[in-house]
Amino acid sequence: QITLKESGPTLVQPTQTLTLTCTFSGFSLSTSGVIVGWIRQPPGKGLEWLALIFWNDNKRYSPSLKSRLSIIKDTSKNQVVLTMTNMDPEDTATYYCAHSGYDSDLRRFDPWGQGTLVTVSS
Amino acid sequence: QSALTQPASVSGSPGQSITISCSGTNSDIGIYNFVSWYQQHPGRVPKLIIYEGTERPSGVSNRFSGSKSGITASLTISGLQTEDEADYYCCSYTSSGTYVFGTGTKVTVL
Repeated sequence: QITLKESGPTLVQPTQTLTLTCTFSGFSLSTSGVIVGWIRQPPGKGLEWLALIFWNDNKRYSPSLKSRLSIIKDTSKNQVVLTMTNMDPEDTATYYCAHSGYDSDLRRFDPWGQGTLVTVSS
Repeated sequence: QSALTQPASVSGSPGQSITISCSGTNSDIGIYNFVSWYQQHPGRVPKLIIYEGTERPSGVSNRFSGSKSGITASLTISGLQTEDEADYYCCSYTSSGTYVFGTGTKVTVL
C-alpha cells in the first residue's frame, strides 16, 4: 500500500523560504519509472501542479514558478523535499505530494498525501 | 503554460448524465492520451477517477467515463447520484514534460 504524508511549517512570513517534506512508504524512488510530484491548492481555488522528481533525479518545474522552486530526494529516508523561495501571501495553499510514474499507465497522480496547509502572513 | 479550460459549473438531476469538458492545446491534450481526472469533495483530498484518458482505477464506479477528441477531453458521469456532487479537475501531461491542471468544475446534483 502506497502512502504519502506532507510535513512542514503551517505559517511562513512573507519573503521567507518554505521547506516541505514528503515522507512516503510502499514504493522506492530508486525504482526505475517512479516519480513524486507536488501540487498545491489555494483556499477555495483550483489545483496547481508545481514540480516532479524522477527516480533518476531528473526534475521538472512549473514554468511560472521555476525560479522559486527546488526539489530533491533522499532515497534512503524515502523523502522528497520541496523548497519555495520568496514566499508571498498568494502562496497560501494546501500543498500535496503524490505518487506518479513514467510508464504510460502511471502518468497520473495517485495516491495523494493528506496535504498540509501553509499560510503566508506576517 | 495556461490552465486547461473547464466550465465553472455543471448541474443535473439524479439519474441524468452530465459531461464536463476540458479544453487544452496541441502541446498537451492534443498530442497525448495522458489525461487524468480527479474528484474532490469539500475538505477532502483529490481522488483519481480516470487516467490515460479513458481508464478507470479499480474501485471507481463505471458511471464515470472519459473520452478525448482533438484538444478537448471529456468526463461523463452517467446515472448521476447525490454523492457525485463535488469538484472535478482534469490534468494533462505536456510536451515540456510537465503537467497542467484544469480550472475545475463544480458539479451540483439538483
